[in-house]
Amino acid sequence: GAGVSQTPSNKVTEKGKYVELRCDPISGHTALYWYRQSLGQGPEFLIYFQGTGAADDSGLPNDRFFAVRPEGSVSTLKIQRTERGDSAVYLCASSLATGEQFFGPGTRLTVL
Amino acid sequence: QQQVKQSPQSLIVQKGGISIINCAYENTAFDYFPWYQQFPGKGPALLIAIRPDVSEKKEGRFTISFNKSAKQFSLHIMDSQPGDSATYFCAARKAAGNKLTFGGGTRVLVKP
Repeated sequence: GAGVSQTPSNKVTEKGKYVELRCDPISGHTALYWYRQSLGQGPEFLIYFQGTGAADDSGLPNDRFFAVRPEGSVSTLKIQRTERGDSAVYLCASSLATGEQFFGPGTRLTVL
Repeated sequence: QQQVKQSPQSLIVQKGGISIINCAYENTAFDYFPWYQQFPGKGPALLIAIRPDVSEKKEGRFTISFNKSAKQFSLHIMDSQPGDSATYFCAARKAAGNKLTFGGGTRVLVKP
């Protein structure tokens, strides 16, 4: 079956702009996670959804970052007033309840 | 504050040799320790995982050794193959939550 998909695969934007990153989880997976991976580092947790609600958003770095999952499936990570330091690969993962997390290929965000 | 420390940052091994990657953690609330393999341009993929009630787990050429008292765990890749060339991440997860805390990664190069 299809894995986790993320769009776009690459996004280049200018400092100060707004961006949206989309994640389509594996069908039937109730849990969805967003991580951020800077070059040469391990992924860092941003936010976790169980169903439609954010169960843990402790990793969001500041209030410019926001994520939604309105119907308990697709999720969108939104970044306002982007900064050069936001440049990274944004990874999405999904799982059944507390099971293994399956990662998507990521969206590479570049802020010029 | 780095809760999971991974070493070495990189290693080169000859085909057929053994690759060893070490991780140390600080938080005793962690109770699930997975290893992920990541190829360039791809998301991390689960390789093998262990819980602290087991000291060793083997799956094919991959073995995790776990030392609860030392708060350390390691990945051994036996009979390393060029196709094993990738970046490997250790991670840890608390029982009460689902987010993964990753180590910094080890880039492994297997020379033919």
